[in-house]
Amino acid sequence: GQSLEQPSEVTAVEGAIVQINCTYQTSGFYGLSWYQQHDGGAPTFLSYNALDGLEETGRFSSFLSRSDSYGYLLLQELQMKDSASYFCAVNRDDKIIFGKGTRLHILP
Amino acid sequence: DAGVIQSPRHEVTEMGQEVTLRCKPISGHDYLFWYRQTMMRGLELLIYFNNNVPIDDSGMPEDRFSAKMPNASFSTLKIQPSEPRDSAVYFCASSLVGQAGDEQFFGPGTRLTVL
Repeated sequence: GQSLEQPSEVTAVEGAIVQINCTYQTSGFYGLSWYQQHDGGAPTFLSYNALDGLEETGRFSSFLSRSDSYGYLLLQELQMKDSASYFCAVNRDDKIIFGKGTRLHILP
Repeated sequence: DAGVIQSPRHEVTEMGQEVTLRCKPISGHDYLFWYRQTMMRGLELLIYFNNNVPIDDSGMPEDRFSAKMPNASFSTLKIQPSEPRDSAVYFCASSLVGQAGDEQFFGPGTRLTVL
């Protein structure tokens, strides 16, 4: 079968660093994507990892370990505008499967 | 480009009525996806098209749901008859080539409420 697990909620303080974890189990795995969705908005693409290691894009970084079927999204220098839901998504050979999302709460 | 366009943005209907959701993908994108989002089930892929041809409809919940893509710039998702459990936000997304890692661009969604 297939599964995607990520925490339902995470809380962090403005200016701090937060890590959102994602574990997966699937066949035909190609890579892991991350999407951000603000309340009432549409998902928007953040990053994609096909190979093991860390990919950095500004304040956001994404990591993948294929051997551990594990990845994470790292958000640094948190800003209030980062309050949103974050979805990991398994890219298979036939489709993308989204996790249920992690709601990130940021405290001032 | 205006991005992916969906209409209507909100739809309230009564149980048993037919509902049609519309989507215009980004010009030049070969892939079009229909998703449904609920709190309980998250973001579910319903069906996707490649060059107007349905490729995978395994996510379509039942025969009450149907989707078409008559040309490269238009797709519809129809629910007939609608039921209260169909209440959700329906997103349309498009991508350039549909390969793993290819960014999907989502429309603003249609919030459907079935009473």
